[in-house]
Amino acid sequence: GEDVEQSLFLSVREGDSSVINCTYTDSSSTYLYWYKQEPGAGLQLLTYIFSNMDMKQDQRLTVLLNKKDKHLSLRIADTQTGDSAIYFCAEVPPGRRALTFGSGTRLQVQP
Amino acid sequence: DTAVSQTPKYLVTQMGNDKSIKCEQNLGHDTMYWYKQDSKKFLKIMFSYNNKELIINETVPNRFSPKSPDKAHLNLHINSLELGDSAVYFCASSRDSGRAPYEQYFGPGTRLTVT
Repeated sequence: GEDVEQSLFLSVREGDSSVINCTYTDSSSTYLYWYKQEPGAGLQLLTYIFSNMDMKQDQRLTVLLNKKDKHLSLRIADTQTGDSAIYFCAEVPPGRRALTFGSGTRLQVQP
Repeated sequence: DTAVSQTPKYLVTQMGNDKSIKCEQNLGHDTMYWYKQDSKKFLKIMFSYNNKELIINETVPNRFSPKSPDKAHLNLHINSLELGDSAVYFCASSRDSGRAPYEQYFGPGTRLTVT
């Protein structure tokens, strides 16, 4: 997406932490999302964060939001080979009522 | 039970043909969407229906026509297929597009290849 930017590729070793970054442009977006797409599959909602929060933790996933810099990150602790996928951040700009996706980050986990 | 299903999963057809993709959700959601994912994995909204009413119609060629016979179904008909229509088309649904947090559930996708 031209409004939501992500790095294209990340490679980590199994057991390490992964950090996937995203920069969005619409500071009015109320919620920001992380989706996961495994090869040949649809998108799975992993988590979302409300814009008045700085951090949200859900088991191995930690979402950090820096609203001033419009920066969103997803940290995956103890990354497993099953975490290999494409990760998309997304926002719903006010008045849009549909997701605007980033370009996706392909996470490769080496055994 | 599959929450959001699409048929067919794969569709290979020749330029100039007309084809349809079907989507059904059994989640009781009010809103359904069509997204297109190109070869670089870029995802973009095409259409959205809320209670059978079209609420989003992005800049999409008018060869693409969505139809929602009821809240649980959203179909996509494509006329005069072109090579550039080759992509994966995803259907999604959500409880109410007018209220956050817009948790959308996606189908498995339909891979359309135009030759």
